[in-house]
Amino acid sequence: DTGVSQDPRHKITKRGQNVTFRCDPISEHNRLYWYRQTLGQGPEFLTYFQNEAQLEKSRLLSDRFSAERPKGSFSTLEIQRTEQGDSAMYLCASSSTWSGSRNEQFFGPGTRLTVL
Amino acid sequence: AQSVTQLDSQVPVFEEAPVELRCNYSSSVSVYLFWYVQYPNQGLQLLLKYLSGSTLVKGINGFEAEFNKSQTSFHLRKPSVHISDTAEYFCAVSENTGGFKTIFGAGTRLFVKA
Repeated sequence: DTGVSQDPRHKITKRGQNVTFRCDPISEHNRLYWYRQTLGQGPEFLTYFQNEAQLEKSRLLSDRFSAERPKGSFSTLEIQRTEQGDSAMYLCASSSTWSGSRNEQFFGPGTRLTVL
Repeated sequence: AQSVTQLDSQVPVFEEAPVELRCNYSSSVSVYLFWYVQYPNQGLQLLLKYLSGSTLVKGINGFEAEFNKSQTSFHLRKPSVHISDTAEYFCAVSENTGGFKTIFGAGTRLFVKA
C-alpha cells in the first residue's frame, strides 16, 4: 500500500504528558500537511511542509505543538504538556507540487488522541 | 481570506432518492474546489474536484458537482443514493494562485435510510 500512513492510530494519555505522532506521506509527494479534526467539524489546518521546510504554522497552534520533517520524508507532530482540549483526531495529508495535481491532498487514517 | 459554509449539518434521505449537499465559499481570488467523503473510522477520500473548464464535474460513486461562480457555490448531487453512501461529506477550497492552504467546511452528515 503506497498511501499516507500514520502511527499510532490511537493514543490515550494523561494530562501533562508529551505525545508524538508520525506521518509517512506518499513517497513522491513533497508537500505534507497536519490537520486537527474535532467531533462535528471539518479538518482544521495546523501546519504545512514543502520538503523539509515548515512554511506555515496556524496562529491557532500553541507553542506546545511542534512539527518536524527532517529529511523531507516522514514527519512528526509533538504535543507537550497535553491538555484535555487537545483531544481530537490528528490528520496528515500529502500532495505533489506537480501542476496537474492542483493541490489535491491525500489523507492518512488519522491518529485519535484522548487526553484524560 | 477563504471560507467555506456547508449549509446543512445533517441530511437524511431514503435509499434511491436524489440528494443535494450544499456548499458556498468565499475567496478574493480564483479557487480550486473539492468534495471529500469520510466513511466511519476511515480517512478522508477525494470524491471530485473542480480545477477549471467545465463547471459540471463528475466524481466517484456516481456523485457530481456544479461550480457556480456567480453564486460562489459548489453543490454536490447524486440522482439515486445507496445505503453505502452514508458518511460525512466535506467541501473544501484552495486558492489557485500557487498557495497551498486548503480550508474545509464543517461537514454534512448524509444518512441514507432503507
